Amino acid sequence: EVQLLESGGGLVQPGGSLRLSCAASGFTFSSYSMSWVRQAPGKGLEWVAIVSYSGTDTFYADSVQGRFIISRDNSKNTLFLQMNSLRAEDTAQYYCAKGVLILGVTRMLDYWGQGTLVTVSS
Amino acid sequence: DIQMTQSPSSVSASVGDRVTITCRASQDISSWLAWYQQKPGKAPKLLIYAASNLQSGVPSRFSGRRSGTDFTLTISSLQPEDFATYYCQQTNTFPHTFGGGTKVEIK
Repeated sequence: EVQLLESGGGLVQPGGSLRLSCAASGFTFSSYSMSWVRQAPGKGLEWVAIVSYSGTDTFYADSVQGRFIISRDNSKNTLFLQMNSLRAEDTAQYYCAKGVLILGVTRMLDYWGQGTLVTVSS
Repeated sequence: DIQMTQSPSSVSASVGDRVTITCRASQDISSWLAWYQQKPGKAPKLLIYAASNLQSGVPSRFSGRRSGTDFTLTISSLQPEDFATYYCQQTNTFPHTFGGGTKVEIK
């Protein structure tokens, strides 16, 4: 059974940093891209970032480019999101999700974790 | 970035109704569109990928179609467990943007 378990959320002051983790199990982690998606309270889904199966390729939403870093440790089946220079508008539930590749490109997210809440406030 | 415009933002319907949700891409995304269902307090669930392919385990009352840059998700006969919010996501070009969501409510 595929399981994704996020951790690391919490309350942080504006300008601060936080590192989220996503522990994966039930599938060959090193064979799949992984993504972070967030959802502000009462709002819709926002795609945040993606990392390739090997960790060599990453892409980011414009809203987090230069502030967030997505990475992975395939030896520990764990995905990370390092969040720096946090702003109030980064307040959201953060989900990690497993990608599915079609012809070598991620085309959908088939498993999601339950999320971890990040609150940016003074 | 590609903008995904979903409509309507909400719809009220009864059990047994046919419900159609539309998602329009701001530019060509081929058929690289996925649909997700999200219930309150829960993670999203993949329903359809590549515009019209049903994810394993998803009931056949859900279907998807593409017409150019317009995409539709149809629920042929709404069931009580289908009341939720639905999102489209384009996966043609980074960033993989989501639509704003459509809340399906009980009439």
